[in-house]
Amino acid sequence: EAGVVQSPRYKIIEKKQPVAFWCNPISGHNTLYWYLQNLGQGPELLIRYENEEAVDDSQLPKDRFSAERLKGVDSTLKIQPAELGDSAVYLCASSLVAGGLGEQFFGPGTRLTVL
Amino acid sequence: AQKVTQAQTEISVVEKEDVTLDCVYETRDTTYYLFWYKQPPSGELVFLIRRNSFDEQNEISGRYSWNFQKSTSSFNFTITASQVVDSAVYFCALSVKPGTASKLTFGTGTRLQVTL
Repeated sequence: EAGVVQSPRYKIIEKKQPVAFWCNPISGHNTLYWYLQNLGQGPELLIRYENEEAVDDSQLPKDRFSAERLKGVDSTLKIQPAELGDSAVYLCASSLVAGGLGEQFFGPGTRLTVL
Repeated sequence: AQKVTQAQTEISVVEKEDVTLDCVYETRDTTYYLFWYKQPPSGELVFLIRRNSFDEQNEISGRYSWNFQKSTSSFNFTITASQVVDSAVYFCALSVKPGTASKLTFGTGTRLQVTL
């Protein structure tokens, strides 16, 4: 069974440019998470989806970040415009709603460098 | 608010040594779940264990064992006879909303380096 797929794996952009990250969760996983991981830190939740509904986006900087999960499967996280401080790894994870109890399966992440 | 503290930033051991990674958590909830994840150089976090707050039994899985002590709010992880492949960053995490898709609060991680 395929794991969580993310693309691209690496992205280098100039500040003020837009950038988008894509995530395909494990088949059948209704819950999808986007995390931000700064160097030397643990992941921090940005947004959580239950199917296509964003149920927890309290940590998402909505002035420049947006996310969508059309049809409740794939998801895209966008930053516009990017700032130097956005350089980090963006992780996507998924889990089963029933019985998941927090057991999340993570993708390899997208490492963003903003110059 | 929830908090997870991993005071050990980096640990270096020689292969076959035993090593314990410490985790201390804070929460006011009486029902919670604790986790350990491994993050190898490839970047993917790999789930290792989940333990709920009502089950203080220690667990052993091969060379891995976990010691959960509510009295000290600790959930420590021991690797016996460490191997080079154990080299990774290990994260302890806490969730306080069981029964629903949970929000994990992670510690800052402990980097384990196992050398020959």
